Amino acid sequence: KNQVEQSPQSLIILEGKNCTLQCNYTVSPFSNLRWYKQDTGRGPVSLTIMTFSENTKSNGRYTATLDADTKQSSLHITASQLSDSASYICVVRGDNYGQNFVFGPGTRLSVLP
Amino acid sequence: SAVISQKPSRDICQRGTSLTIQCQVDSQVTMMFWYRQQPGQSLTLIATANQGSEATYESGFVIDKFPISRPNLTFSTLTVSNMSPEDSSIYLCSVANRLALQETQYFGPGTRLLVL
Repeated sequence: KNQVEQSPQSLIILEGKNCTLQCNYTVSPFSNLRWYKQDTGRGPVSLTIMTFSENTKSNGRYTATLDADTKQSSLHITASQLSDSASYICVVRGDNYGQNFVFGPGTRLSVLP
Repeated sequence: SAVISQKPSRDICQRGTSLTIQCQVDSQVTMMFWYRQQPGQSLTLIATANQGSEATYESGFVIDKFPISRPNLTFSTLTVSNMSPEDSSIYLCSVANRLALQETQYFGPGTRLLVL
């Protein structure tokens, strides 16, 4: 069964600190992996998307890594800001035409002043 | 990118009634989806809205409870029928294009529903 797991479930850090969120998946065959940020009460917004051949992709203070062999991804947030407080969702898409997206449960990040 | 709007943004409804949620996209898109997000949970796919034909429902969701329309490539509706408090949730419309597997999936702002 295609699944996406994320850890930790929730995380609290101080403003200015770095953190790393983890995503493990069993989706096969694999097409791409995305990280979304979802602010409370809003729809998810895409941060990064990576295909099989990409190992790292950055978007400002967000850096995503992908190891397609071990089926693991991480999202690293540098110099956290209060506005980074949100849920971060890992989504994996399989490589079958029209295959829908498999969502992880999300990691709830709280950045405190 | 695609800009998605949903109406209503929120509503409070009585049990046994029905609510229709509208999703409007600012450009033609191939794929439209409806998701549910219950409090503290991640997104669960309800169905894929197909233009001009019946929607494709995921396991646990049926057309009688969640009828969906998609008359064209920019608009879709989701109806939550005969509502109960368990239907209290955020309902999100999402779109993507089938042209390339690398396309991004865009989400609307969501409709927050509370059933009393």
